[in-house]
Amino acid sequence: ILNVEQSPQSLHVQEGDSTNFTCSFPSSNFYALHWYRWETAKSPEALFVMTLNGDEKKKGRISATLNTKEGYSYLYIKGSQPEDSATYLCAMYNDMRFGAGTRLTVKP
Amino acid sequence: DADVTQTPRNRITKTGKRIMLECSQTKGHDRMYWYRQDPGLGLQLIYYSFDVKDINKGEISDGYSVSRQAQAKFSLSLESAIPNQTALYFCATSDHDTNNEQFFGPGTRLTVL
Repeated sequence: ILNVEQSPQSLHVQEGDSTNFTCSFPSSNFYALHWYRWETAKSPEALFVMTLNGDEKKKGRISATLNTKEGYSYLYIKGSQPEDSATYLCAMYNDMRFGAGTRLTVKP
Repeated sequence: DADVTQTPRNRITKTGKRIMLECSQTKGHDRMYWYRQDPGLGLQLIYYSFDVKDINKGEISDGYSVSRQAQAKFSLSLESAIPNQTALYFCATSDHDTNNEQFFGPGTRLTVL
């Protein structure tokens, strides 16, 4: 993988559903991976900065895991709420290369 | 007050005009960045600066130039704007000891007619 890729591109879930999405990245020369949350009409805000293989970070109902050997990170949202609706971006530290994002919509 | 500010917030201009977008920060960070966002493409890095005397090209620097006037100020110029530079532009800052966690400004929406 040469670029940072995110899947799925978009996701629609019902309130209360748990969901997850993927960020895939080049595994060579890994230094750090960032996750950002970007709400419509606002600026992206950092969620997590992940550096170590096997890292797991949590903030409220949102958590993320990291596998640097195979080049992927998962973001999980437990019990989605309408206020979780946003685009979630991941980015490589090395050259600040961003994925295209996963757009999450949570329906009440 | 916002930590990272951008001016203007919206700008409509014509092909061939010179445009400058400005970014200021009060976070005391040494690193500053300019990105553009096009629908479906995420954020693309245009230029970045790790300190006042350091300027580096990002992945899409053609057609753009930058100036780091002070630690707190980083401006982006389009010498001769063209319609495919119509986009949302973000300035961001980071500190050297936080693994480049980015703090974004509010964005500038630029339209080139």
